[in-house]
Amino acid sequence: NAGVTQTPKFQVLKTGQSMTLQCAQDMNHEYMSWYRQDPGMGLRLIHYSVGAGITDLGEVPNGYNVSRSTTEDFPLRLLSAAPSQTSVYFCAVRRPGQNPNYGYTFGSGTRLTVV
Amino acid sequence: GNSVTQMEGPVTLSEEAFLTINCTYTATGYPSLFWYVQYPGEGLQLLLKATKADDKGSNKGFEATYRKETTSFHLEKGSVQVSDSAVYFCALSDQRGSQGNLIFGKGTKLSVKP
Repeated sequence: NAGVTQTPKFQVLKTGQSMTLQCAQDMNHEYMSWYRQDPGMGLRLIHYSVGAGITDLGEVPNGYNVSRSTTEDFPLRLLSAAPSQTSVYFCAVRRPGQNPNYGYTFGSGTRLTVV
Repeated sequence: GNSVTQMEGPVTLSEEAFLTINCTYTATGYPSLFWYVQYPGEGLQLLLKATKADDKGSNKGFEATYRKETTSFHLEKGSVQVSDSAVYFCALSDQRGSQGNLIFGKGTKLSVKP
């Protein structure tokens, strides 16, 4: 039982390149989300999904796309990377339903550097 | 909108010292409150939570009480250990809106010296 798996763990991109950060879960949780963590900024929500086929915007969605074709996977796409997207990215999942008291499970993160 | 403010770090303590990390919040509804901990190189883990006023969350010797009158959720531990060195995040979630998304404070880095 792996929980939440993020790949890759580290990535260096050149400005303008595209890439996809992967998030996979084996917990059968409906809710999945992406956060970015920057020094002195805490974690900020990028996009989230409450189930397959449903996605919505978070606090800082610009420059990122998501899709949710299956319950298990929630990839985050950078279409044209910018240095401002240098950050650590975390995927987080939650048990079914909207009740946040169930708690979140976080992946171990992807450290992305855009040069 | 909803927001969380927590004390700036870093905080450096000696082993067995008393820890307080302040957290206050702004919310339009009745949020649930959380403390998450991030150990070096890892993702976030839920440390404790409280879902209504006057609730006390506790785990691993850490405690926090949901104070609606002061909109606070301060984290405390009576005697810290070197293994408590980590970054601590206060967070809230409003069940009635935004799908219960978490809103985080900026984090407080704690270093405990032997």
